[in-house]
Amino acid sequence: DAKTTQPPSMDCAEGRAANLPCNHSTISGNEYVYWYRQIHSQGPQYIIHGLKNNETNEMASLIITEDRKSSTLILPHATLRDTAVYYCIVRDLKPGTSYDKVIFGPGTSLSVIP
Amino acid sequence: GAVVSQHPSRVICKSGTSVKIECRSLDFQATTMFWYRQFPKQSLMLMATSNEGSKATYEQGVEKDKFLINHASLTLSTLTVTSAHPEDSSFYICSAVRDRGYNSPLHFGNGTRLTVT
Repeated sequence: DAKTTQPPSMDCAEGRAANLPCNHSTISGNEYVYWYRQIHSQGPQYIIHGLKNNETNEMASLIITEDRKSSTLILPHATLRDTAVYYCIVRDLKPGTSYDKVIFGPGTSLSVIP
Repeated sequence: GAVVSQHPSRVICKSGTSVKIECRSLDFQATTMFWYRQFPKQSLMLMATSNEGSKATYEQGVEKDKFLINHASLTLSTLTVTSAHPEDSSFYICSAVRDRGYNSPLHFGNGTRLTVT
């Protein structure tokens, strides 16, 4: 099972900030939160990832709560091209073993509306 | 950097034939590669995890004799769908990571649309 939960869909007005939440209440101390998005019929595109500090890059900002049980991806000025399914994932690793899984949940379908 | 190339992007084959899909990391060495498939309007389903030089680890319900995965080098993994049937028609996506550390993003190919007639 996926280690994250997200709302199934959200709308955002073009030009406004899109705030996409993710819950990862079972995350462990070393596990990072990764965000990807997928536009129809393409492979997922990497957006950003973080451990406990807030992160920002040219695409988005990632806000992680102090207890690390949830995070929010922020697209500061959403455009129509940001319409996609957004996935928040946690990589499930067991160091010292070959166990390594990344399970995707259903993600959030973001619709940016003109 | 961190480009993953997947080939072919689309393939149509007849029922009973086999199809090979290649996944290459172009500018980095990938210790681990993941194979997913995705049905319309659904999320990505993990099929298997493969490490270079060792056997792939398959998810429950994925037939390892039907979906052959070979991770022959640090830059190439292949998925062969053997004796394909129409129900194998799907979007297959690979991803690769540089290392097995927590701070190592997955990098995805652009997927292969398989249609079995």
